[in-house]
Amino acid sequence: GAGVSQSPRYKVTKRGQDVALRCDPISGHVSLYWYRQALGQGPEFLTYFNYEAQQDKSGLPNDRFSAERPEGSISTLTIQRTEQRDSAMYRCASSQRSNEQFFGPGTRLTVL
Amino acid sequence: AQSVTQLDSQVPVFEEAPVELRCNYSSSVSVYLFWYVQYPNQGLQLLLKYLSGSTLVESINGFEAEFNKSQTSFHLRKPSVHISDTAEYFCAVRGGTSYGKLTFGQGTILTVHP
Repeated sequence: GAGVSQSPRYKVTKRGQDVALRCDPISGHVSLYWYRQALGQGPEFLTYFNYEAQQDKSGLPNDRFSAERPEGSISTLTIQRTEQRDSAMYRCASSQRSNEQFFGPGTRLTVL
Repeated sequence: AQSVTQLDSQVPVFEEAPVELRCNYSSSVSVYLFWYVQYPNQGLQLLLKYLSGSTLVESINGFEAEFNKSQTSFHLRKPSVHISDTAEYFCAVRGGTSYGKLTFGQGTILTVHP
């Protein structure tokens, strides 16, 4: 079956622009997670959903970052007024409840 | 809160040599432990996990890790590595009260030389 997909795979934007990153989880997976990975570091938790409910957003660095999962499937991570420090790999994962998390290929965001 | 420390950022080895990638964690609650692998230009894949039961867990491609509660460690080992094992390896922990959220270490780049 299809795994977790993310789009776009690469995004280059100018400082101050808004970006939207999409995650399409494995069909039927209840939980969806967003992580951010800076170069040379491990992934850092941003937020997660069970169905459409955002359960924990404690990892979102500031109010420019938001996420939604309106129908309990596809999720969008939005970054407003991007800054150069937002450049990173953004990773999405999904799971059945608290079991193994399956990761997508990531979106490489570069803010110029 | 949990934290994970991977003690080596890079580990170069020759093919067929043994390897150990070190991982230590800290947590005030019981934990589940994971090793993920990232091959070049690919996403993260689960290599093995410790949830409960036997403290020694194995993967299908010859890696093993042992949960040591007293030393708060979960080191990854393989007795004989292949060129194809070249990748970045991440240790991760999930706390009993941190539903689903993974805390990762900084990663260890394993490079296997012929």
